[in-house]
Amino acid sequence: DIQMTQSPASLSASLGETVSIECLASEGISNDLAWYQQKSGKSPQLLIYAASRLQDGVPSRFSGSGSGTRYSLKISGMQPEDEADYFCQQSYKYWTFGGGTKLELK
Amino acid sequence: EVQLVESGGGLVQPGRSLKLSCAASGFTFSNYYMAWVRQAPKKGLEWVATISTSGSRTYYPDSVKGRFTISRDNAKSSLYLQMNSLKCEVTATYYCARQRTIAAPMDAWGQGASVTVSS
Repeated sequence: DIQMTQSPASLSASLGETVSIECLASEGISNDLAWYQQKSGKSPQLLIYAASRLQDGVPSRFSGSGSGTRYSLKISGMQPEDEADYFCQQSYKYWTFGGGTKLELK
Repeated sequence: EVQLVESGGGLVQPGRSLKLSCAASGFTFSNYYMAWVRQAPKKGLEWVATISTSGSRTYYPDSVKGRFTISRDNAKSSLYLQMNSLKCEVTATYYCARQRTIAAPMDAWGQGASVTVSS
């Protein structure tokens, strides 16, 4: 099974600050990597797919990058509505989620 | 508008069975792989099952294999999850989600169905 190690588990950011979240796969996943945002009490929403492609309707301050086993999500300019949990997911070999990152506004 | 609406959750005793349903609308259901993902209270997301467009292929993690069965009825645009021999550790919110292909991301999710296993 492919394991996804996500870091950090939590972080706090100021308004306008740039934030990065990372995911490390236990083996290469060929960019079959998605990022989801889950706001409190809501279902997850797709932000990024294929490692770097922005889902329709997602603000351009969100971006994804990476290759091989290392991937990251960047939020360029933290906004109040970005306070949420974030999860990475690989779909290269079945489906595995990272443990999640709780992002709070400082 | 794409909609996925889960139903069938509730409180169930250990060892019993429960069947969740997911009603889909706003898209051509038969063109999509479908999946179930669960989230235990205050925990992360865990993939539970996936089914191909025709229903001929199903996929499960070892944690539920043999106890959970995913199925679909394309004529009714509905997805199901039969859960047997329930244990307390399966207490979670269960989401249905759609995928355009087997390797595609889950681009639409339902609101979730809460399942509590307790005596």
